[in-house]
Amino acid sequence: EIVLTQSPGTLSLSPGERATLSCRASQSVSSTYLAWYQQKPGQAPRLLIYGASIRATGIPDRFSGSGSGTDFTLTISRLEPEDFAVYYCQQYDSFRYTFGQGTKVEIK
Amino acid sequence: QVQLQESGPGLVKPSGTLSLTCAVSGGSVSTNNWWSWVRQPPGKGLEWIAEIHHTGVTNYNPSLKSRVTISIDTSKSQFSLILNSVTAADTAVYYCARNGDYDQDHWGQGTLVTVSS
Repeated sequence: EIVLTQSPGTLSLSPGERATLSCRASQSVSSTYLAWYQQKPGQAPRLLIYGASIRATGIPDRFSGSGSGTDFTLTISRLEPEDFAVYYCQQYDSFRYTFGQGTKVEIK
Repeated sequence: QVQLQESGPGLVKPSGTLSLTCAVSGGSVSTNNWWSWVRQPPGKGLEWIAEIHHTGVTNYNPSLKSRVTISIDTSKSQFSLILNSVTAADTAVYYCARNGDYDQDHWGQGTLVTVSS
């Protein structure tokens, strides 16, 4: 089983700042199989990025994904008030999906 | 725009069976998409449970496989989840979702299922 470890656990930033979220895999993951989600309290997760770097439909271009192998990054270039949420990475391997434990982006 | 809606009992007794259905509207379950169940214990992270294709092919999370069955009814445009021998650890919000390429691109709003006597 591939384990995804996200860091930091919590990121305290101000609106307008840049957020950099990390997702590290215990084994190499194909970029095709790496996705990022945003989840706000009381809401379902929302797909942000798939294929490691492709923005999902309707996702603003301040969100970007990068990385390969075991190290992947989600970057929010300038935080808007609505971006404060929990973010999860996810991978697909051997007919199963696993999620990281999440990074909370909170207002400083 | 496809929409998904979970339904089922909100309370299940320990050792009992959890049964949920996901109704799909605005699209067909008979497309080439797969359909998934994902759960989230209160205050915790996401756990993928299982997926199914309209042909009936299934994949399960190995950690839950012995207790889970996913099924699909194309005539009713819905798919279902059964989880047997539940314990308090199965208390969670259960989401149904449509798979995209290798992700879940459309989600239901989720339904809280509590395991308690």
